[in-house]
Amino acid sequence: AQTVTQSQPEMSVQEAETVTLSCTYDTSESNYYLFWYKQPPSRQMILVIRQEAYKQQNATENRFSVNFQKAAKSFSLKISDSQLGDTAMYFCAFMKLLSGTYKYIFGTGTRLKVLA
Amino acid sequence: EAGVTQFPSHSVIEKGQTVTLRCDPISGHDNLYWYRRVMGKEIKFLLHFVKESKQDESGMPNNRFLAERTGGTYSTLKVQPAELEDSGVYFCASSQVIGDEQFFGPGTRLTVL
Repeated sequence: AQTVTQSQPEMSVQEAETVTLSCTYDTSESNYYLFWYKQPPSRQMILVIRQEAYKQQNATENRFSVNFQKAAKSFSLKISDSQLGDTAMYFCAFMKLLSGTYKYIFGTGTRLKVLA
Repeated sequence: EAGVTQFPSHSVIEKGQTVTLRCDPISGHDNLYWYRRVMGKEIKFLLHFVKESKQDESGMPNNRFLAERTGGTYSTLKVQPAELEDSGVYFCASSQVIGDEQFFGPGTRLTVL
């Protein structure tokens, strides 16, 4: 069974600093997708970044980048120049074709607080 | 373009009562998903519609949960009768193509007392 583990329930970072959120997953598959979603307080989840497992190059989106280590089954999210608006719950997710459909398998989330 | 919407945003009911949650996906999205997050735990898949058909309902907890998507537009998730362990946040998501990024609604927080 696929599992996703986020070992940091809560983290905090000073504004303008860099923070890394960890995520590990367990799968025997070679083709899959990995995602980081962000849920700000009282708002809906939005996609932060996506990585295809077949791509060796780490995905980046402005201040957000990932460190994808396929052999280690690790997919950490780095947020550079943290901003107050980055305060949110961050979910790591794994997706592949399972039982005829693509569905996400999520971790338990990391609550990030950016401090002024 | 409107995103995924869910109604109500919060619902507080007593054990044994019935509750119906509604999800309106992004217009044109054939794929609609329901997920649930119990407090402090991971978000778990419940089921997936392709248009009006249930593609996968392997995550539905038991037969007290009934999901419908008549006409292939909005979907409802009914819990009858509700139990304490049904409390949590119910998320709906939609995508245009299977395997594409899923767009999430704001969730419905259900509290069963």
